[in-house]
Amino acid sequence: KAGVTQTPRYLIKTRGQQVTLSCSPISGHRSVSWYQQTPGQGLQFLFEYFSETQRNKGNFPGRFSGRQFSNSRSEMNVSTLELGDSALYLCASSLFSGLASYNEQFFGPGTRLTVL
Amino acid sequence: ELKVEQNPLFLSMQEGKNYTIYCNYSTTSDRLYWYRQDPGKSLESLFVLLSNGAVKQEGRLMASLDTKARLSTLHITAAVHDLSATYFCAVGNTDKLIFGTGTRLQVFP
Repeated sequence: KAGVTQTPRYLIKTRGQQVTLSCSPISGHRSVSWYQQTPGQGLQFLFEYFSETQRNKGNFPGRFSGRQFSNSRSEMNVSTLELGDSALYLCASSLFSGLASYNEQFFGPGTRLTVL
Repeated sequence: ELKVEQNPLFLSMQEGKNYTIYCNYSTTSDRLYWYRQDPGKSLESLFVLLSNGAVKQEGRLMASLDTKARLSTLHITAAVHDLSATYFCAVGNTDKLIFGTGTRLQVFP
């Protein structure tokens, strides 16, 4: 069974540009969550999508947005990039939404974004 | 706002020794997760603890949860080099995971 895949794995952008990251969940999983990992702030929740609807959102500015498609693949977009957006962006998929005992999250390898 | 604190942040330990990583959280939750992350890699789920007094063990790692004290521990027994990694605890809060700062563990001969 294929795991969570994220593309691209590495990305270099300059300030002011925008970027789109993609996440393909495990087959059959309908929930995708996104996290940002930085040395200074650690791992922070961005948002969760389930059945093409945003179910949960973390404390990030509106420059961070996402969407989910009917096949459960998800994209996140960051507009007007800032230096502080340099991070490892992880997505995680699960069967359902929420943190039930039967609903384990599986993490992808991440996309490392560098903003110059 | 839920805060999750881990200590220590860094842990350098000799092979064969025992040690404990602590995870404290600030508000009530009955779901606590432990993850491992190797350098440059993603997160690997280690344990899911869902009730007060829960204890789970896998190999040389044992995790426990005390919801009244809002404390979870990850105990390492007879450490080996392969356990070198960063360990995160995460607490479930309104269907979001709030992660601790992580503990970077280095095991040396």
